[in-house]
Amino acid sequence: SYVLTQPPSVSVAPGQTARITCGGNNIGTKSVHWYQQKPGQAPVLVVYDDSDRPSGIPERFSGSNSGNTATLTISRVEAGDEADYFCQVWDTSGDHWGVFGGGTKLTVL
Amino acid sequence: QVQLQESGPGLVKPSETLSLTCSVSGGSITSYFWSWIRQSPGKGLECIGYMHYSGSINYNPSLKSRVTISADTSKNHFSLNLSSVTAADTAVYYCARAQEKWLVDYYYYMDVWGKGTTVIVSS
Repeated sequence: SYVLTQPPSVSVAPGQTARITCGGNNIGTKSVHWYQQKPGQAPVLVVYDDSDRPSGIPERFSGSNSGNTATLTISRVEAGDEADYFCQVWDTSGDHWGVFGGGTKLTVL
Repeated sequence: QVQLQESGPGLVKPSETLSLTCSVSGGSITSYFWSWIRQSPGKGLECIGYMHYSGSINYNPSLKSRVTISADTSKNHFSLNLSSVTAADTAVYYCARAQEKWLVDYYYYMDVWGKGTTVIVSS
């Protein structure tokens, strides 16, 4: 089955840029979606189809995807961005099923 | 604005069937696909299954023998049954709306989620 690899944690100071990676074999050929999850809350979609933002998501959230790595970039990080972030793709080979990365804890210093 | 709300027992005995319902408000379940996802400390986020009211239903291959997802359009809700549960099925269960897209093949992502409900499997 398809495996997505995320770093367990990323730390960044307020106002700086956070980059959270999601690695997978030829992930650049798939559409990648990103979710933000704050403690005790449900996940919220922040980026879909590699780089599109749902309405209501700040422009500070952006995404890219190429080769074996997709990246969620959060510019001008705020304290309220502290959360777990998960990437997700649909494995259209093998089991043809949704796959999530293990998640990255973003800490705002 | 579509909202989803999970409901069901928070405690289920081993070997019994876990049954949850997702009530949809602000929109009809006859539009879109709908899904169940669970989250446990040990396995992270896991797609359980997704369905369209027309009868198209797909289950996680690893759970397929134990899962049933169904819809009741008259009540605008859909349901999850997971049989023969064990402690490994202890998790927060979410229902979510699934967007269907096409890129070489169909794929899905979840754009609206319920708040989730905790289910503990224990005697």
